[in-house]
Amino acid sequence: KQEVTQIPAALSVPEGENLVLNCSFTDSAIYNLQWFRQDPGKGLTSLLLIQSSQREQTSGRLNASLDKSSGRSTLYIAASQPGDSATYLCGKGNAGNMLTFGGGTRLMVKP
Amino acid sequence: GAVVSQHPSWVICKSGTSVKIECRSLDFQATTMFWYRQFPKQSLMLMATSNEGSKATYEQGVEKDKFLINHASLTLSTLTVTSAHPEDSSFYICSAISWVAGGNSYNEQFFGPGTRLTVL
Repeated sequence: KQEVTQIPAALSVPEGENLVLNCSFTDSAIYNLQWFRQDPGKGLTSLLLIQSSQREQTSGRLNASLDKSSGRSTLYIAASQPGDSATYLCGKGNAGNMLTFGGGTRLMVKP
Repeated sequence: GAVVSQHPSWVICKSGTSVKIECRSLDFQATTMFWYRQFPKQSLMLMATSNEGSKATYEQGVEKDKFLINHASLTLSTLTVTSAHPEDSSFYICSAISWVAGGNSYNEQFFGPGTRLTVL
């Protein structure tokens, strides 16, 4: 059974801090790794997509890395802002383009 | 980026009725769409994979006769919850893949805004 785990489950930080969100997976057969943001009661917004042949992707204050050998991906958020408060989900891409999701990290950035 | 819409955004229905949820890719063609459900404070669980012009593939434990999926065109997939019961109350989210011609075959999934179903 494929498992995707996200640590921590919840995180509360003051504004301005640099953050690292972790995602680990047990099945090494990975096609891509996608990070999403979900606001309460809303759908998912794609943040970054890392193909299996890549090691990292960057977009603005976000940087995501992928280490297939250790089964880990990290999402780095620089200079966090209150507007970053949301749940962050990682999705492991499997055969057939299906995603297996982690449980998410609920982030609260306090002003 | 690619835009996916869902309709309705929320629906309340009586137990025993059927509810249809639409998922549309607005600015791209999607040969494959996925349907997920999400319970409060939980992650997304894949229900089924919908391919245009063919029968949907359901995940283990998902009743295909209860959750009818139709992918009639490259921009529309529908999920019908038949004879809905209170335990079907959930947040239903669809996603679609935007295939990039000549690109990597494993492409980014774009998600709809979700539909909240409440069955009384």
